[in-house]
Amino acid sequence: GENVEQHPSTLSVQEGDSAVIKCTYSDSASNYFPWYKQELGKRPQLIIDIRSNVGEKKDQRIAVTLNKTAKHFSLHITETQPEDSAVYFCAATYTGGFKTIFGAGTRLFVKA
Amino acid sequence: EAGVAQSPRYKIIEKRQSVAFWCNPISGHATLYWYQQILGQGPKLLIQFQNNGVVDDSQLPKDRFSAERLKGVDSTLKIQPAKLEDSAVYLCASSFPRQGATGTEAFFGQGTRLTVV
Repeated sequence: GENVEQHPSTLSVQEGDSAVIKCTYSDSASNYFPWYKQELGKRPQLIIDIRSNVGEKKDQRIAVTLNKTAKHFSLHITETQPEDSAVYFCAATYTGGFKTIFGAGTRLFVKA
Repeated sequence: EAGVAQSPRYKIIEKRQSVAFWCNPISGHATLYWYQQILGQGPKLLIQFQNNGVVDDSQLPKDRFSAERLKGVDSTLKIQPAKLEDSAVYLCASSFPRQGATGTEAFFGQGTRLTVV
């Protein structure tokens, strides 16, 4: 069935360094790949997304890349700040039924 | 605009009891999702509605879970009887109708934290 794998499960970086989170998906028909940030005790909120007709998208310190051939996509956060500390979830939307499958999450710690 | 509303925020019940959660999506959002998020894990899709029809409920434990979305707006998720392993946050989300066959952003509610003791 459909599956999204996310790595690493935990990531600790020094403030100012970059952080990279990687996800792979199983259904080649997937066409929409959002990334959500969830702070402790709060709801997941979209931070960036990418569609299958695009290879890269940037928004200030955040970028996402997509490799459709390899079926993986990555989140890049540059110049990390303590407020970036949270759990980040990747997701893939499958055209068959349009359901969205989430990865297991990456807990990012940014040390000041 | 108003966000996705969920109630209650917290619920503690004993195993074998029943419980119901309520969700009011963002106005105009035809797609509604219920997710189960166990502590330390990603959200797991339980059921997805498009208007008042079920698009996917393959992960819903139908022997104890049920959901409905009457009139294509509000939705309720029920668990009867509850088990200890049902302890989780139940998130409701909604999104705009899709144009073509591409996905769109899901807006999440605050969730209901269920504890089964």
